[in-house]
Amino acid sequence: GEDVEQSLFLSVREGDSSVINCTYTDSSSTYLYWYKQEPGAGLQLLTYIFSNMDMKQDQRLTVLLNKKDKHLSLRIADTQTGDSAIYFCAEEGANNLFFGTGTRLTVIP
Amino acid sequence: EPEVTQTPSHQVTQMGQEVILRCVPISNHLYFYWYRQILGQKVEFLVSFYNNEISEKSEIFDDQFSVERPDGSNFTLKIRSTKLEDSAMYFCASSGPNRLANEQFFGPGTRLTVL
Repeated sequence: GEDVEQSLFLSVREGDSSVINCTYTDSSSTYLYWYKQEPGAGLQLLTYIFSNMDMKQDQRLTVLLNKKDKHLSLRIADTQTGDSAIYFCAEEGANNLFFGTGTRLTVIP
Repeated sequence: EPEVTQTPSHQVTQMGQEVILRCVPISNHLYFYWYRQILGQKVEFLVSFYNNEISEKSEIFDDQFSVERPDGSNFTLKIRSTKLEDSAMYFCASSGPNRLANEQFFGPGTRLTVL
């Protein structure tokens, strides 16, 4: 079955870049997603990438997709304290999403 | 901006009791979902619902679980006889008529604690 893996924690200093990594198993996903969860809130879609692309940039966010290695990453440039949250990678099933455990990003001022 | 809402934010119940978790999806959305996250574990898919019927369910979604859209706005998850291992955060999500990118909008979650 589908499996999505992420490391649990990442700490960076304010102003540095953050890179959150994810590996997945289902190569048939049309889209892959990054969701953000702030304390007390639901999961918010940050960005997604179509599986035919290898890179997508959206302001401070860069998504890189390596289909051969089934590796997805999210880079946040100039990380701010407001970026502290849990970041979930997800791949899609037929009618649902498969999530990783989430990576807790802590930004140190 | 429209959002998915869930009530209650925290539910405490005794083992064996029935609970109903409530969600109000975004009003023009057609697809509805329940997910759960046991503390420290992955967010797991439970069930998807479309056109007044279940379109897909996971192995977790056994006979103890049911979903309903009792009116035009609410979407509920019922757990008939709760077990300790049902303690988790339950997320409702909905997605719109345009599912090109399958963007699902999530509610803030209901934390269920079974004692």
